[in-house]
Amino acid sequence: DTEVTQTPKHLVMGMTNKKSLKCEQHMGHRAMYWYKQKAKKPPELMFVYSYEKLSINESVPSRFSPECPNSSLLNLHLHALQPEDSALYLCASSQDSQSRNNQPQHFGDGTRLSIL
Amino acid sequence: DQQVKQNSPSLSVQEGRISILNCDYTNSMFDYFLWYKKYPAEGPTFLISISSIKDKNEDGRFTVFLNKSAKHLSLHIVPSQPGDSAVYFCAAPLPTGANNLFFGTGTRLTVIP
Repeated sequence: DTEVTQTPKHLVMGMTNKKSLKCEQHMGHRAMYWYKQKAKKPPELMFVYSYEKLSINESVPSRFSPECPNSSLLNLHLHALQPEDSALYLCASSQDSQSRNNQPQHFGDGTRLSIL
Repeated sequence: DQQVKQNSPSLSVQEGRISILNCDYTNSMFDYFLWYKKYPAEGPTFLISISSIKDKNEDGRFTVFLNKSAKHLSLHIVPSQPGDSAVYFCAAPLPTGANNLFFGTGTRLTVIP
C-alpha cells in the first residue's frame, strides 16, 4: 500500500477543460514533488515544494499550475492542456527537499491523464 | 543528456537464480543512489539505496553494489522470485540543492517460475 495517495487514478479531459489532480501524504514529510512520466520513459521532475513553498519549477508551461494548501496536500491544476500532455502524473514526498540529507522519495500510484 | 543510464531494457531470469540489474552514471557529483521497483498501474516503490561512502548495502534478498571509479552500480536479487517481476529504475539526486531525482530508463525484469 502506498502512503502517498493520488486522485483520481484516471482522468480524461478535453483541451478546453479545467481539472485538478490531488495528492495527499500523512508521513509528516515537508517536501512534495510532481513528476510527469511518458510511456517507456523515466519520470521527469516538474515541481518541488519545500515547506509549502515552490522551490523548483522545471520550466513547466503555465497550463500546469501547482498548489500546496498545507504540508499534507499537493494539487496540480490543469487548464487548456494539449494532447502531448497525456501522461502518467506522479506525486512524491520526502522528509525534506535537501539532497544532502539522503532522504528517499516515496511515490503515489499516479494519475493517468488523457487529453482528447 | 541522460545522466543515469540503464542499458538493458529487459532481463529474464529463472526463479531461484540471481538477478543482476546494472546502472551507469556520468555525473561524478552524484553521491547517493536509489533503486525503485515499479509494477504496472502503480507508482515507483523505493527499494534500497546506497551512499557513496559505502560500496555495498544489503537488505534481505536485495544488495546494491557501487563502483565509484567505474561510475557503475548494480542491484542483485537473490534468490529471484516471480513477484520480483517489475520494471526497476535506478536514480540519483544532485548532491546540492533540491532533491531532484535523475532516473535511468528502467530495466524490465521477468522471473520465470
